[in-house]
Amino acid sequence: NAGVTQTPKFQVLKTGQSMTLQCAQDMNHEYMSWYRQDPGMGLRLIHYSVGAGITDQGEVPNGYNVSRSTTEDFPLRLLSAAPSQTSVYFCASKDSYNEQFFGPGTRLTVL
Amino acid sequence: SQQGEEDPQALSIQEGENATMNCSYKTSINNLQWYRQNSGRGLVHLILIRSNEREKHSGRLRVTLDTSKKSSSLLITASRAADTASYFCATDAGNKLVFGAGTILRVKS
Repeated sequence: NAGVTQTPKFQVLKTGQSMTLQCAQDMNHEYMSWYRQDPGMGLRLIHYSVGAGITDQGEVPNGYNVSRSTTEDFPLRLLSAAPSQTSVYFCASKDSYNEQFFGPGTRLTVL
Repeated sequence: SQQGEEDPQALSIQEGENATMNCSYKTSINNLQWYRQNSGRGLVHLILIRSNEREKHSGRLRVTLDTSKKSSSLLITASRAADTASYFCATDAGNKLVFGAGTILRVKS
């Protein structure tokens, strides 16, 4: 199993550009989520999904969109990038025992 | 706002010593989890303790949970240099896992 995979690993955007961070898991987990991690802080939940076709907002959803068309994929879209969105983004999926499995992260810089 | 808050923010110990990290939280939870993050990497799940459990062990890890005080502690015994990492507690109150800011542990050899 590859677990949770994320692409790209690194990305630099200019203010106002849009992009999609990709996340996929091959463990057939229903629950998936996106977090951002800023220096000196823990992870903050952006959006989550409890299954295909179902998404909901987390703690810091503004500026981000998600969709869940399949169990495997959970992309995160930045609609109009801002410097405040410079961060490391982690995708995770959760098993039936509530253990979360994290991807390696995407380091995003917005200039 | 973050649910869990770890204490201390940073901890430096010698190899072989024990390391204790504490976590406090604000609301009712279903379970509390501890994660480790090595520099520049993703988080790795260490242990989960349910709200009706008071203590749990996994190898050199011991976690306690006091729901009356809304606090938890993580004890790493006989620490190794490889334990150097950031440690986060996370509270699960349903579909949202809320993380604290973490404790940076440095184990000197």
